[in-house]
Amino acid sequence: AQSVAQPEDQVNVAEGNPLTVKCTYSVSGNPYLFWYVQYPNRGLQFLLKYITGDNLVKGSYGFEAEFNKSQTSFHLKKPSALVSDSALYFCAVRDASGNTGKLIFGQGTTLQVKP
Amino acid sequence: DTGVSQDPRHKITKRGQNVTFRCDPISEHNRLYWYRQTLGQGPEFLTYFQNEAQLEKSRLLSDRFSAERPKGSFSTLEIQRTEQGDSAMYLCASSLEVSGASKNIQYFGAGTRLSVL
Repeated sequence: AQSVAQPEDQVNVAEGNPLTVKCTYSVSGNPYLFWYVQYPNRGLQFLLKYITGDNLVKGSYGFEAEFNKSQTSFHLKKPSALVSDSALYFCAVRDASGNTGKLIFGQGTTLQVKP
Repeated sequence: DTGVSQDPRHKITKRGQNVTFRCDPISEHNRLYWYRQTLGQGPEFLTYFQNEAQLEKSRLLSDRFSAERPKGSFSTLEIQRTEQGDSAMYLCASSLEVSGASKNIQYFGAGTRLSVL
């Protein structure tokens, strides 16, 4: 079965420090991986995706993610956190069992950036 | 591009009532997805449309749930005889899928939060 795990319910970081939000996946075949961010009472906003190619993917708002096939991980990173980055972050993998394109999400990680 | 819009944003209803939600996707997008998100969880797939055809439904979608996408444009999700367990955020997403390249980004609406009393 395909799945995504986000092992941390919450990540706390001081403003200006680097941040990492962890994600591991389990999927048959080549993984198509995504990160989304959700602000309170808002829908999910796309940050970045990995389909193929360079293992370091750059996305919106200064975020990047590193794909590691051997560790089946796709951690989200940012060199310098902002208070405005505080939100709920979701890692997702595209279902590879058919052609639906449906996304399978992790349970989410709350990022708290303190001034 | 006005994004994906959902209406209403919030719905409070009594147990046993029927509710209907609407989603307007990005205009040129041919795929439309419905997800459900409960507190502390990630969104879970409910169903999706390729143009007007509903091609897959999750086991989460009981017989009380029905979705339509007439003419391949907006979509509605109806829940009949609502139960307290239906309380959740219902998210709609759309994407443009090109044949043989189903890897495109899904863009989400702000969601409809349903509370069943």
